[in-house]
Amino acid sequence: NAGVTQTPKFRILKIGQSMTLQCTQDMNHNYMYWYRQDPGMGLKLIYYSVGAGITDKGEVPNGYNVSRSTTEDFPLRLELAAPSQTSVYFCASDPGRSSYNEQFFGPGTRLTVL
Amino acid sequence: RKEVEQDPGPFNVPEGATVAFNCTYSNSASQSFFWYRQDCRKEPKLLMSVYSSGNEDGRFTAQLNRASQYISLLIRDSKLSDSATYLCVVNSGMNSGYSTLTFGKGTMLLVSP
Repeated sequence: NAGVTQTPKFRILKIGQSMTLQCTQDMNHNYMYWYRQDPGMGLKLIYYSVGAGITDKGEVPNGYNVSRSTTEDFPLRLELAAPSQTSVYFCASDPGRSSYNEQFFGPGTRLTVL
Repeated sequence: RKEVEQDPGPFNVPEGATVAFNCTYSNSASQSFFWYRQDCRKEPKLLMSVYSSGNEDGRFTAQLNRASQYISLLIRDSKLSDSATYLCVVNSGMNSGYSTLTFGKGTMLLVSP
């Protein structure tokens, strides 16, 4: 199993540009999450999904959108990039239904907005 | 009060030393607790879950004190490979169908020869 994979690994955007961060998991997990991690800060939840077709906002959703058309894929869309969105983005998944589930993280996407 | 608070460190220790990290959390309704490890420029990975009775995994021991809302991680016989940032993570339960994980900012450990 590849686990959770993310593309791209790095990206530089200009202010106002758009992009999609890709996330795929092959563990048949129902629950998927997008986090951002700013330097010296804890991970913050952007959006989550409890299954195909179901998504909801986390703690910091402004400026982002998501979709979940399949169990495997959970892309994150930035429509109008702003310098405040410079961060490391992690996608994660877990099987759901238990508060003791381990969350499995992808390797991250480092995004810089100039 | 911050939701999950940790000393950012860094903790600089020699190989073979014992080191302890502490973490406090503000939500008394929190249900489950974890320590994740994050290597430089890598993703977080689960180190161990923390159970009410305390638990041990090799050189690592985790303790939970619900009354004081306090979690600890003890690392014995430190190895160079233990150098990383240790994230205290608290799950406040299944809110609206998902695990509401709250992450601390992490404590950095540097083990030197």
